[in-house]
Amino acid sequence: SQTIHQWPATLVQPVGSPLSLECTVEGTSNPNLYWYRQAAGRGLQLLFYSVGIGQISSEVPQNLSASRPQDRQFILSSKKLLLSDSGFYLCAWSINLNPEAFFGQGTRLTVV
Amino acid sequence: AQSVAQPEDQVNVAEGNPLTVKCTYSVSGNPYLFWYVQYPNRGLQFLLKYITGDNLVKGSYGFEAEFNKSQTSFHLKKPSALVSDSALYFCAVKGTGRRALTFGSGTRLQVQP
Repeated sequence: SQTIHQWPATLVQPVGSPLSLECTVEGTSNPNLYWYRQAAGRGLQLLFYSVGIGQISSEVPQNLSASRPQDRQFILSSKKLLLSDSGFYLCAWSINLNPEAFFGQGTRLTVV
Repeated sequence: AQSVAQPEDQVNVAEGNPLTVKCTYSVSGNPYLFWYVQYPNRGLQFLLKYITGDNLVKGSYGFEAEFNKSQTSFHLKKPSALVSDSALYFCAVKGTGRRALTFGSGTRLQVQP
């Protein structure tokens, strides 16, 4: 069966520091991968999605970037964090045969 | 463009009573529609989906949803609510040719004992 791993679960970082959040999927090949951000326990905003290695689409301009160095690995990064980057970050995957997405457990990022 | 509206921030229901969480959508072409549930500090769990076919879709934990094309709605329902159903519920839509789901703002369901 397919599983998705996302880490770390919580992270506290100072303003101006770099960020790297990692997400990996097991049990499937060539998944579509997504990064969402959830602010204040409410709606989800799509940040990035990827349909293949090295292919990244950005939905909103911001202080973050994403990379997909391997088929089942998706990384969210920042060179310098802002206070406004605080939030709950969720990684998800889907496959082309089924439209639903499956989510990781999320990373709670607090920028101080 | 695709969008989802969940008009209620919170729904309160007594345990054992039926519940409905409302969702309306806007999308080009035929929609794929979804419901997810989120417990505190956790990721989203998939409940059910509508792709095509029967307008009444059954999902996990006794939940079901009714697709209404004329009203562009996809309301989540359960005949008898449990206290453990208390959580944040998200409706989502994916339009033809779109790569990602668009989510509503979420509805907090509170089931009182």
